[in-house]
Amino acid sequence: DAGVIQSPRHEVTEMGQEVTLRCKPISGHDYLFWYRQTMMRGLELLIYFNNNVPIDDSGMPEDRFSAKMPNASFSTLKIQPSEPRDSAVYFCASSLAGRNYGYTFGSGTRLTVV
Amino acid sequence: AQSVTQLGSHVSVSEGALVLLRCNYSSSVPPYLFWYVQYPNQGLQLLLKYTTGATLVKGINGFEAEFKKSETSFHLTKPSAHMSDAAEYFCAVSDRPLSGGSYIPTFGRGTSLIVHP
Repeated sequence: DAGVIQSPRHEVTEMGQEVTLRCKPISGHDYLFWYRQTMMRGLELLIYFNNNVPIDDSGMPEDRFSAKMPNASFSTLKIQPSEPRDSAVYFCASSLAGRNYGYTFGSGTRLTVV
Repeated sequence: AQSVTQLGSHVSVSEGALVLLRCNYSSSVPPYLFWYVQYPNQGLQLLLKYTTGATLVKGINGFEAEFKKSETSFHLTKPSAHMSDAAEYFCAVSDRPLSGGSYIPTFGRGTSLIVHP
């Protein structure tokens, strides 16, 4: 398996623009997580899905953030409108249900909002 | 609520020296404990995990960690550091079980391991 695939790797956008981050989880994994990593706050869980259904989005910072998982092999995280404070590395991770499994993380998308 | 404290944002060792990265946690129930490693410009990779059973856990790349309930600690060690071990290391704890036996970990702030020649 190619692992968790995220695109793009880098995104630079202007304040006010819409940004869409994409994630393809490992085939067969039934949990998908979106994390944000910043120097100030470390790793923060934004939202997670189970079998394509959003379960907990309490970590989503504002209504400007939204996430979808239309099928088992694809998820998006959208920021509209983007702001400079959204600049961070966004990670997607997937996991197989069961106590003995860790997460598999993607390589992340480095977002810079100018 | 669970929390994780990693002592020292940076740890510097010489190549061949012992590596010790400290992690303490708080949890109201027996937790699952994890160490992840993040190399530059990459995602986190699972190094090792403790769920139940033997408290000394061996992971990849020669790392191991010991769960000490009385000290609420899960320190990561490696007898001899290599230059390739230079990376960011994250301790994580989970006492939030999900349906199907999965979980959500809370991550520490990370410790940057620097290895000198």
